[in-house]
Amino acid sequence: NAGVTQTPKFQVLKTGQSMTLQCAQDMNHNSMYWYRQDPGMGLRLIYYSASEGTTDKGEVPNGYNVSRLNKREFSLRLESAAPSQTSVYFCASTRQGAGTEAFFGQGTRLTVV
Amino acid sequence: RKEVEQDPGPFNVPEGATVAFNCTYSNSASQSFFWYRQDCRKEPKLLMSVYSSGNEDGRFTAQLNRASQYISLLIRDSKLSDSATYLCVVRVLDRGSTLGRLYFGRGTQLTVWP
Repeated sequence: NAGVTQTPKFQVLKTGQSMTLQCAQDMNHNSMYWYRQDPGMGLRLIYYSASEGTTDKGEVPNGYNVSRLNKREFSLRLESAAPSQTSVYFCASTRQGAGTEAFFGQGTRLTVV
Repeated sequence: RKEVEQDPGPFNVPEGATVAFNCTYSNSASQSFFWYRQDCRKEPKLLMSVYSSGNEDGRFTAQLNRASQYISLLIRDSKLSDSATYLCVVRVLDRGSTLGRLYFGRGTQLTVWP
């Protein structure tokens, strides 16, 4: 059982380049999330999707777009990468409901030079 | 003000020690509470949920004080394998929805030495 799968695991971009981070879950979860983790900052929510076809902004959405392609997949796009977007990105999914556990992908380490 | 505040540590303790981590949250509408563990350069994984009555899982005890908006984690008889970062996590339900946003503390780093 794969759980949450993120690709790529590592990426180096030049300032101004674009890229899409892919995330897929095989647990039939309704809700999916994208976080970034920076040293000393903890995990911060970028965007989330309550269900297929819906997306909402989190704490730090500027510079990002998302697509909930279907129930399994939730992608994060950087249209014009900036050095401030150098971070570790985690995708997560949960069933709906207050007490449910979040499952995370292994993360994408992105460096923008 | 951050939704979840945690002492970042680091905590350095010998094997066998008891160590406690604390966390406070700002939103009184918070519904669910968790402790996650994150190993270096890995993804966070659920350690335990935190219930109002307090709960225990082996050497780990979690407590919640809703009146003070305070969560704690106690680790007894620390093992080398407990070395990790411990994240305090709070879920706040969006109004009229069953979706909850998860808010993470910055994490408390624990190193257990032999």
